[in-house]
Amino acid sequence: ELKVEQNPLFLSMQEGKNYTIYCNYSTTSDRLYWYRQDPGKSLESLFVLLSNGAVKQEGRLMASLDTKARLSTLHITAAVHDLSATYFCGMDSNYQLIWGAGTKLIIKP
Amino acid sequence: SQTIHQWPATLVQPVGSPLSLECTVEGTSNPNLYWYRQAAGRGLQLLFYSVGIGQISSEVPQNLSASRPQDRQFILSSKKLLLSDSGFYLCAFDKLGQGIPYNSPLHFGNGTRLTVT
Repeated sequence: ELKVEQNPLFLSMQEGKNYTIYCNYSTTSDRLYWYRQDPGKSLESLFVLLSNGAVKQEGRLMASLDTKARLSTLHITAAVHDLSATYFCGMDSNYQLIWGAGTKLIIKP
Repeated sequence: SQTIHQWPATLVQPVGSPLSLECTVEGTSNPNLYWYRQAAGRGLQLLFYSVGIGQISSEVPQNLSASRPQDRQFILSSKKLLLSDSGFYLCAFDKLGQGIPYNSPLHFGNGTRLTVT
């Protein structure tokens, strides 16, 4: 069964701290996505990771992919309030994206 | 540039009434099209996807249906809504499998928030 598991599902943290969201998946994947969703809004693409060892960075967010461990991470560096959102990872399998349940991130000033 | 439009943005419908949500894509041809549903505070559930006109694949048994009457138009319908159909419906497209760079993401519309009363 194709599964994507994210953890934690909820994270409250202080500004300026670092933290990591984990995304485990159950089978080989062609692509691994990270998306951001603000409350009541649609999803915004953050990263697409293709190959083992891929690392991408955008501002305070960095995503990596370990295909052997079937694990992707989203690392937040020196968090700021504007990064408060729900973050989803998803993996691609035959035209379907299998999604994690999402990690709700609250960053307190 | 490629854009995706969904409407309406919000909808309140009584149980048993019909539903029609529309999604159109501009700036590209022959996109792969998707309908997702997101229940409140939950993740995304793929409902339908389409790789071409008239080609619809259903992922979840339900009282919803989808149609693709034109290349860049995707419609989600129901003959009789249930309370459990409430949720946030998202249309999306990509160009996977069409020679487009493989690292291109899935692009989402702004969503339709449906409340069935």
